[in-house]
Amino acid sequence: GAVVSQHPSRVICKSGTSVKIECRSLDFQATTMFWYRQFPKQSLMLMATSNEGSKATYEQGVEKDKFLINHASLTLSTLTVTSAHPEDSSFYICSAKDRTEETQYFGPGTRLLVL
Amino acid sequence: AQSVTQLDSQVPVFEEAPVELRCNYSSSVSVYLFWYVQYPNQGLQLLLKYLSGSTLVKGINGFEAEFNKSQTSFHLRKPSVHISDTAEYFCAVSQVGGNEKLTFGTGTRLTIIP
Repeated sequence: GAVVSQHPSRVICKSGTSVKIECRSLDFQATTMFWYRQFPKQSLMLMATSNEGSKATYEQGVEKDKFLINHASLTLSTLTVTSAHPEDSSFYICSAKDRTEETQYFGPGTRLLVL
Repeated sequence: AQSVTQLDSQVPVFEEAPVELRCNYSSSVSVYLFWYVQYPNQGLQLLLKYLSGSTLVKGINGFEAEFNKSQTSFHLRKPSVHISDTAEYFCAVSQVGGNEKLTFGTGTRLTIIP
């Protein structure tokens, strides 16, 4: 149980385009989902927290107009990187928190490369 | 606010030897504690967690950790490691009754030497 999926696993796009990443909790309902960014050989940096049906809460320094987050249902959250630039290239990981547990379960991550 | 310290950035260990990965935390309130493992180019997998109760917690893949409140530590141990244990290990905490956010340590790279 407690499986979280992400799609796509890898994406390459041209500078200036937008990219959408999906995060799904497959076998549980997630009232809260989190989006992280991870640079090579570093720890995870929390970007934002999204609660189903409400606006996401962004961490300091994260541009909410650039990283659009939607949490439309209890099993799906999306992160859209708008007008992507090479500096947005990174590994993006989502996590979902089961409403009955004090535990975050992580997706497999999405590798984004902006050319 | 809380913080997590993983003093060892890299730990090389011979196959079948025991290992301990250290984690210390700082918090003004009670915390939940977690260990996650990350294999190359993958997300994080939960190894074990301490929420309450027995301070010795057993997880997957033969790992265990002990919560020591007086020393504010949550060290991860395995009595005999395998090549497949080569990965990055992250310790994390969240506040009891808090905003559900996880605070991560900087990670420890465990390398198993054949």
